[in-house]
Amino acid sequence: NAGVTQTPKFQVLKTGQSMTLQCAQDMNHEYMSWYRQDPGMGLRLIHYSVGAGITDQGEVPNGYNVSRSTTEDFPLRLLSAAPSQTSVYFCASSYQLADYNEQFFGPGTRLTVL
Amino acid sequence: GQQVMQIPQYQHVQEGEDFTTYCNSSTTLSNIQWYKQRPGGHPVFLIQLVKSGEVKKQKRLTFQFGEAKKNSSLHITATQTTDVGTYFCAGPQGGSEKLVFGKGTKLTVNP
Repeated sequence: NAGVTQTPKFQVLKTGQSMTLQCAQDMNHEYMSWYRQDPGMGLRLIHYSVGAGITDQGEVPNGYNVSRSTTEDFPLRLLSAAPSQTSVYFCASSYQLADYNEQFFGPGTRLTVL
Repeated sequence: GQQVMQIPQYQHVQEGEDFTTYCNSSTTLSNIQWYKQRPGGHPVFLIQLVKSGEVKKQKRLTFQFGEAKKNSSLHITATQTTDVGTYFCAGPQGGSEKLVFGKGTKLTVNP
């Protein structure tokens, strides 16, 4: 099993550009989520999904869109990048949160917005 | 909404000293999880606590869940340089599927 994979590992954008961060898992996990990590701020939840076709907002959803068309994939879209979105982005997956719910994190995408 | 607060934010110890990080929630948690993130890495699950007053040990690491299920602690005995990293606690936001993380405690160990 590859676990949770994220692409790209690094990305530099200009203000106003759009892009999609990819996340995939091969563990048949129902629950997937996106976090951003900024110095001194810990991990903040952006969006999450409890299954294919179901998504919901986390703590900091503004400026980001998600969709979940398959169990395996959970892409994160930046509609119009801003410097405030410079961060490290982690995707995570697990079985449903209500059960034993060890979160498996991907390696992260380091995004810089100029 | 629910907040998960962690203290201290930073801790620097000499190798061999003990270390403790504390996690406090504004609401009762159904369970609490602990993660470790090595420098430049991603968070890795350490343990989950579910029962009130639960204590679990992993070698030199001791995890506790408070009786009221609103606080937790991670204690490391005789730290080693391999313990370096940031330790996070996380709990489900009450009644939802959101997992909320504390800001973490960054541990550095001086050999």
